[in-house]
Amino acid sequence: DAKTTQPTSMDCAEGRAANLPCNHSTISGNEYVYWYRQIHSQGPQYIIHGLKNNETNEMASLIITEDRKSSTLILPHATLRDTAVYYCIVRAYYNTDKLIFGTGTRLQVFP
Amino acid sequence: GAVVSQHPSRVICKSGTSVKIECRSLDFQATTMFWYRQFPKQSLMLMATSNEGSKATYEQGVEKDKFLINHASLTLSTLTVTSAHPEDSSFYICSARDVEQGNEKLFFGSGTQLSVL
Repeated sequence: DAKTTQPTSMDCAEGRAANLPCNHSTISGNEYVYWYRQIHSQGPQYIIHGLKNNETNEMASLIITEDRKSSTLILPHATLRDTAVYYCIVRAYYNTDKLIFGTGTRLQVFP
Repeated sequence: GAVVSQHPSRVICKSGTSVKIECRSLDFQATTMFWYRQFPKQSLMLMATSNEGSKATYEQGVEKDKFLINHASLTLSTLTVTSAHPEDSSFYICSARDVEQGNEKLFFGSGTQLSVL
């Protein structure tokens, strides 16, 4: 699986949009971009995934650049409960299901 | 969404004893489950892939005789930490793929905090 690079930590004010970047410059054409988050002492929670088009669901939006070498996860109105470690992962859509986690971004939402 | 139940959530044991952790997919069948380990302030590290009806596949550096994995049914996988020692103290997390939803996303259990005294 391709490796990803994320900032170690970020802060965001409650109610504002949180934009979490991820670089995946060696991503292959068949690899998807996945985002998970882990709140302290819990299992990871799926947020969103995409291949090349921008995606939106009830939790977040995923913006993938045209060359697919980077992406941004957007939490439109961050709340204190969004404080977590956010993991950006690229994974091929074949023969293997496993997710390889990087170091992630620790997002701190403050009042 | 699919639910993965992991039990127990916390266990404390004496050094030398064995501990079993269960991972169940509650509302879907999981032919494949994954076991991760996480040390404090570190990321998740994949330990092994558990396949229903066959032997687990272990990642490099993970002792298969130390961490016994059994996936006897489509809804249950177990991880047994044999002869546990303090260095085995960690947060263990399982995950499973919902076959019905295709190869799109994995669902995770809530984790088991193992403390070996």
